[in-house]
Amino acid sequence: DTGVSQDPRHKITKRGQNVTFRCDPISEHNRLYWYRQTLGQGPEFLTYFQNEAQLEKSRLLSDRFSAERPKGSFSTLEIQRTEQGDSAMYLCASSYSGAGETQYFGPGTRLLVL
Amino acid sequence: GEDVEQSLFLSVREGDSSVINCTYTDSSSTYLYWYKQEPGAGLQLLTYIFSNMDMKQDQRLTVLLNKKDKHLSLRIADTQTGDSAIYFCAEGTNDYKLSFGAGTTVTVRA
Repeated sequence: DTGVSQDPRHKITKRGQNVTFRCDPISEHNRLYWYRQTLGQGPEFLTYFQNEAQLEKSRLLSDRFSAERPKGSFSTLEIQRTEQGDSAMYLCASSYSGAGETQYFGPGTRLLVL
Repeated sequence: GEDVEQSLFLSVREGDSSVINCTYTDSSSTYLYWYKQEPGAGLQLLTYIFSNMDMKQDQRLTVLLNKKDKHLSLRIADTQTGDSAIYFCAEGTNDYKLSFGAGTTVTVRA
């Protein structure tokens, strides 16, 4: 039974560097979501895909952030020119449309920007 | 989640019941969810309730929904040490994104 997986689990980078995270959803799920969670807060929605189409982006997603889901399966989230304020847990979730929209989350990638 | 509010902390004795409360603002919410997060981990879906229901029970978990007051609660019966975690309430208002509260940290003491 494979759930949502994310890679890497932890990333430490220097300010100004680019980072890329990967998410593999549950295989039959057609929707994929990215959220960001900072310390002491709940997750905040960033963007979501239905199949390969990116259908919504939060205003939290600045121009330095880009997400892709090229074949409608795994997704990548890239942050360019990282800033210290980007330090957070990046969570991926997936769901199957029509099944109550229940979102299942991965373990997250914790990013620390020095 | 400025639209979803939860109390921040709850301390409960092992074996007692825990009740975690949540209020939300969007009356168009279709589903309301409870997730559990342990330190350094992702979110684990505990249960959810459709907005036209007022109660759902699943083993030790009971969810109560008062749609008129936009109030959601999660009761955990016979609380165990493994229940210590952060519990998030979330509302699903559209076809996709969830809005989360800041989480309630539950500490179970012996």
